[in-house]
Amino acid sequence: AQTVTQSQPEMSVQEAETVTLSCTYDTSESDYYLFWYKQPPSRQMILVIRQEAYKQQNATENRFSVNFQKAAKSFSLKISDSQLGDAAMYFCAYRLNRDDKIIFGKGTRLHILP
Amino acid sequence: NAGVTQTPKFQVLKTGQSMTLQCAQDMNHNSMYWYRQDPGMGLRLIYYSASEGTTDKGEVPNGYNVSRLNKREFSLRLESAAPSQTSVYFCASSEFRGNSPLHFGNGTRLTVT
Repeated sequence: AQTVTQSQPEMSVQEAETVTLSCTYDTSESDYYLFWYKQPPSRQMILVIRQEAYKQQNATENRFSVNFQKAAKSFSLKISDSQLGDAAMYFCAYRLNRDDKIIFGKGTRLHILP
Repeated sequence: NAGVTQTPKFQVLKTGQSMTLQCAQDMNHNSMYWYRQDPGMGLRLIYYSASEGTTDKGEVPNGYNVSRLNKREFSLRLESAAPSQTSVYFCASSEFRGNSPLHFGNGTRLTVT
């Protein structure tokens, strides 16, 4: 079965500092895609960043970047220059191209300390 | 643009009652999904539909049924609601496979007493 593990239920970071959220996944397949989503208190789900498994280069989106280690099945999210608006639940997700199933981790709640 | 529309926003049911959660998307997306979100459990996939006319079980399908009525609509039915089905339900859609992101509805908060 596909699984996605986020080992940090909660994290805190000082405003303007850098924080890394961890995510590991389990699969024997090679064709898949990885995502990070953000859920602020409004409950809306927002795409943060995505990564194709066949690409070695780590994805970046402004202050957000990933460290994708395919052999270790690890997909961590780095947030640089943390801002108060980054406070949210962050979910890692995994999608097999074969069957289109998308599985999420349990999430990490991120607090930003002013 | 409406995007993904879920109805209702809130619902309270008594144990044993049935109801259908409606979901419609206006983006011509191929794939549609139903998730439930519970504290500490993240989002768990109930059912999904990779294309019109197909549906597949996700991680937690027991107690639910779905219908992909057409390309736009994907409904979730609880035949006999149980307190364990108290949750926030999200519908989502995706244009195609691969790195196409999910677009989510605003969720339905369901309470079963």
